[in-house]
Amino acid sequence: AQKVTQAQTEISVVEKEDVTLDCVYETRDTTYYLFWYKQPPSGELVFLIRRNSFDEQNEISGRYSWNFQKSTSSFNFTITASQVVDSAVYFCALSEEKETSGSRLTFGEGTQLTVNP
Amino acid sequence: GAGVSQSPSNKVTEKGKDVELRCDPISGHTALYWYRQRLGQGLEFLIYFQGNSAPDKSGLPSDRFSAERTGESVSTLTIQRTQQEDSAVYLCASSLYGQGYNEQFFGPGTRLTVL
Repeated sequence: AQKVTQAQTEISVVEKEDVTLDCVYETRDTTYYLFWYKQPPSGELVFLIRRNSFDEQNEISGRYSWNFQKSTSSFNFTITASQVVDSAVYFCALSEEKETSGSRLTFGEGTQLTVNP
Repeated sequence: GAGVSQSPSNKVTEKGKDVELRCDPISGHTALYWYRQRLGQGLEFLIYFQGNSAPDKSGLPSDRFSAERTGESVSTLTIQRTQQEDSAVYLCASSLYGQGYNEQFFGPGTRLTVL
């Protein structure tokens, strides 16, 4: 069975601070995909990034960066110079490659990030 | 825009009544998923449709829950004899194909409140 753990339920920072959201996953598959989604107060999930299990290269996109480490089964997300608009719930999710049953996403419980001005 | 749409956006019902929730996926997307999000929690998988294949119903919490999809178009999630524990946001997602690397695009959800 697959599992995603986001140990941080809530994080509160002041604008311009850097913040890292932790994600630890469990899976028995060798091929899998990791995702981060953002859920702003409006409720609609916004896709941020996808990584596959064979690509451990870290990625940077503007103020966002992701650190994927298979050795520790972690896929952490860092926001540099946080802004009030970054306030949202962030979900880490895992999908496995299943030929017959599709690739459902297993979500963590989410981390509520609040960026204060 | 041509995103995933869901209706109604909000539904309030009385315990014991049946409800139908609708999802319109992105045109051309072969895979469709239903998830449930209880207050303050992550999303739980309910059911998955892929083209004309048999759906994966393994996430449905009880036989009161059922879903249909016609071809690669609209899907309806039905909850019979609703219970208060069914109160949640029901989210629909679609992806181009069902493989794991495919990004799932989510709709805005239907907030169901069972009184």
